[in-house]
Parts: sequence; structure tokens; C-alpha cells
Amino acid sequence: AQRVTQPEKLLSVFKGAPVELKCNYSYSGSPELFWYVQYSRQRLQLLLRHISRESIKGFTADLNKGETSFHLKKPFAQEEDSAMYYCALVPAGGTSYGKLTFGQGTILTVHP
Amino acid sequence: GAGVSQSPSNKVTEKGKDVELRCDPISGHTALYWYRQSLGQGLEFLIYFQGNSAPDKSGLPSDRFSAERTGGSVSTLTIQRTQQEDSAVYLCASSFRAGDTGELFFGEGSRLTVL
Repeated sequence: AQRVTQPEKLLSVFKGAPVELKCNYSYSGSPELFWYVQYSRQRLQLLLRHISRESIKGFTADLNKGETSFHLKKPFAQEEDSAMYYCALVPAGGTSYGKLTFGQGTILTVHP
Repeated sequence: GAGVSQSPSNKVTEKGKDVELRCDPISGHTALYWYRQSLGQGLEFLIYFQGNSAPDKSGLPSDRFSAERTGGSVSTLTIQRTQQEDSAVYLCASSFRAGDTGELFFGEGSRLTVL
């Protein structure tokens, strides 16, 4: 079985400061990792996926298989980044089609 | 509509009553998922449909929970004899096909409060 752990329930930073939201996972095979975000009064939505190797809204995340981590980073946080962030995992190429396993979530607050 | 639609958005019920939560996925999406969002528990997988069949019901917490999907579209999640621990936000999501791993589109959720 797979598991996703986000050790920080709450994370506060000041505008312009770097931010890192931690995500660790456990899975015996090859996973696909994602970050989802939920802004206040909005729907949960996909932020980025590791296979795309993309930067979205200044955020990046690198899959580290050795450390089984997929931390989300942004060099200069903005107030509009304040939201709930979820890390999620799905077995790559497996039969759990779209069955994302989510972490507990981290509430990021960016202070002015 | 353009997105996943869920109803009701809020439901307050008394312990022991049955509730039905409805999800209308994005048109053309064949896969549909139910998750539960509780404070401190993250997002908990409940059940998944491909078309009208549910290959994975592993997340349903008890036999009081059931779900069905008809016509490859609308899905209903039913909770019988509700308990206070059922209070949560129930999220529905859909994807174009089962192989779209991770590309889920979520509704706004149905907030259930059991008194």
C-alpha cells in the first residue's frame, strides 16, 4: 500500500521569502507524484505533476527517489500563494487508475 | 456546466438518518471518484467508477456507505444511519478516462454535518 506524509499542517512565511512544503511517500514501485492546491473558496485543482517537470506559478517539485520525497518549492512566496496544498501519489502504470492517495495537507500562509 | 457539479452543497442531518449526495461529472468523463475530506485526515479515497461499474470500493468505511452510477454519468453516494463521525466534506472528481492518472477535476464538495 502507498502512503503520503506531509509533516507540516501549518506553514507561515513572509512575502518574498522562500518556501518549501515537504512531502514524503512510501511505495514499493514507481509512483507518479502530484501537488494539488485549494485556494480559499475554490475547488481543489492540480498544481503540477512530476512527470511534466514544469514550473507552475513559480513552484517546482523534484522527485527524489532515494529520499522518497517530492517537496514543493518556490524561491519568493507571494500572498496569493496562501492556500491548502496536498501532495498525492498514484502507482505509475498500475491498475489504480486515478486512485490518488493524498497526504494530510499543509496550509500555507504568506504574510505581507 | 463546465465543471463537476455536486449537490447539496451543505447538508445538516440528525444521527441515524440516511443521506444522499449527488455528483454530476464533466460531460464526456468516463471515470468518477468520491473522496472524503476531514479535518486533520487529509483526503480519503472512498470509491471509484469506470463507466457504471466500481472496480475499487476499497475505501468505503463501512457497509453503511454505498454508491452507484447510472448512465455513465451521475453518481449518488448514500450514507445510511449516519453517525457523527461521518461529518466531513465529500468531494467528487472526474477524469476523461481511467488512464488519466492524476488528472482529476474536482467538484466543490458537499459538506455533511451530522448532529
